[in-house]
Amino acid sequence: GESVGLHLPTLSVQEGDNSIINCAYSNSASDYFIWYKQESGKGPQFIIDIRSNMDKRQGQRVTVLLNKTVKHLSLQIAATQPGDSAVYFCAEINYDKVIFGPGTSLSVIP
Amino acid sequence: DGGITQSPKYLFRKEGQNVTLSCEQNLNHDAMYWYRQDPGQGLRLIYYSQIVNDFQKGDIAEGYSVSREKKESFPLTVTSAQKNPTAFYLCASIRQLNTEAFFGQGTRLTVV
Repeated sequence: GESVGLHLPTLSVQEGDNSIINCAYSNSASDYFIWYKQESGKGPQFIIDIRSNMDKRQGQRVTVLLNKTVKHLSLQIAATQPGDSAVYFCAEINYDKVIFGPGTSLSVIP
Repeated sequence: DGGITQSPKYLFRKEGQNVTLSCEQNLNHDAMYWYRQDPGQGLRLIYYSQIVNDFQKGDIAEGYSVSREKKESFPLTVTSAQKNPTAFYLCASIRQLNTEAFFGQGTRLTVV
């Protein structure tokens, strides 16, 4: 389930459309999940989180969905803007380990 | 302001030399982590530490070493045994188990 150095999948979205980024996680015992945004040359920044006792959580323009049955997370970005262009990572927190998914590169077309 | 500071931002190393990357946090976080990121790829765990004077290997620890003599500091040494050290290195910390990880701004290491 750990990132193994695969090249990033990419998603291109028209400005103003909604974006959906998906992530599969590895450990059914993981209790806490986070979506991070990473801009080029910078460290990842927290976007939104969700605990395993929830299946949906909403923030400002972002929604995270958790499907524990199939170990799947998704991040929905409403009305995507050029500033949303970045790499997005999901992370599963399992006790003392933070395990990242491979990431998705989001490109917003003006 | 509280946060995690990595230094330097850019680092050049000659082949065969060891080099140490600094990571300092003033968040009073217990756990600290080092990740490696290659261009267009995800984050891979090198080492992590839950408490002072204790650390654990991650998935790609070969060719790296760490120390945790102080809670605030978790330096990473890239040794000459690391065959392909050119990468972007990220340090992170978490306050307690099952909480958010905070990241530094990264160090880009280039072997020349």
